[in-house]
Amino acid sequence: QKEVEQNSGPLSVPEGAIASLNCTYSDRGSQSFFWYRQYSGKSPELIMFIYSNGDKEDGRFTAQLNKASQYVSLLIRDSQPSDSATYLCAVGDSNYQLIWGAGTKLIIKP
Amino acid sequence: DAGITQSPRYKITETGRQVTLMCHQTWSHSYMFWYRQDLGHGLRLIYYSAAADITDKGEVPDGYVVSRSKTENFPLTLESATRSQTSVYFCASSEQGTYNEQFFGPGTRLTVL
Repeated sequence: QKEVEQNSGPLSVPEGAIASLNCTYSDRGSQSFFWYRQYSGKSPELIMFIYSNGDKEDGRFTAQLNKASQYVSLLIRDSQPSDSATYLCAVGDSNYQLIWGAGTKLIIKP
Repeated sequence: DAGITQSPRYKITETGRQVTLMCHQTWSHSYMFWYRQDLGHGLRLIYYSAAADITDKGEVPDGYVVSRSKTENFPLTLESATRSQTSVYFCASSEQGTYNEQFFGPGTRLTVL
């Protein structure tokens, strides 16, 4: 069974600090990696995607991919209270299916 | 630009009744998906469609039926609702494929009594 694992949290981070969210996956043949943000009572919203090893930056967000170790991370710099949400990791596996993690709840404390 | 819409947003029904959840997208995306989201399980794929008249099962298809006669619409029917089908249902679409970025509708919260 192909899996995507995330710490459910909650992860509590002070405002202005860096929030680090991690995701591991079991299928070594996975090719595409996504981070979605989901506010309570709302639908998931795509915030980052990454296909290649290394870092990809978009504003305050950085996605990091390490295929050898089979993990993908999301860093949020200068965390704001509006970043408080559940972050879902999704991985496109070798069967061309998107496998979802259960999400990490992030709380930014003012 | 409406994007992807779902109706109804909230639905309460009784065990054994048939329920249809609607999904409509204006992007002309080829791929459409139905998920359910329950506490502790994350998003689970029910059915997906690669194009009009092409549908396939996901992880949890039992008790659900889909059809796709037009590219823009992808209704999900619960033929005989059960309490275990109480959930939040999300429709999503993708331009590129089953393992690429997906864009979600606002969701339908379904309660089966």
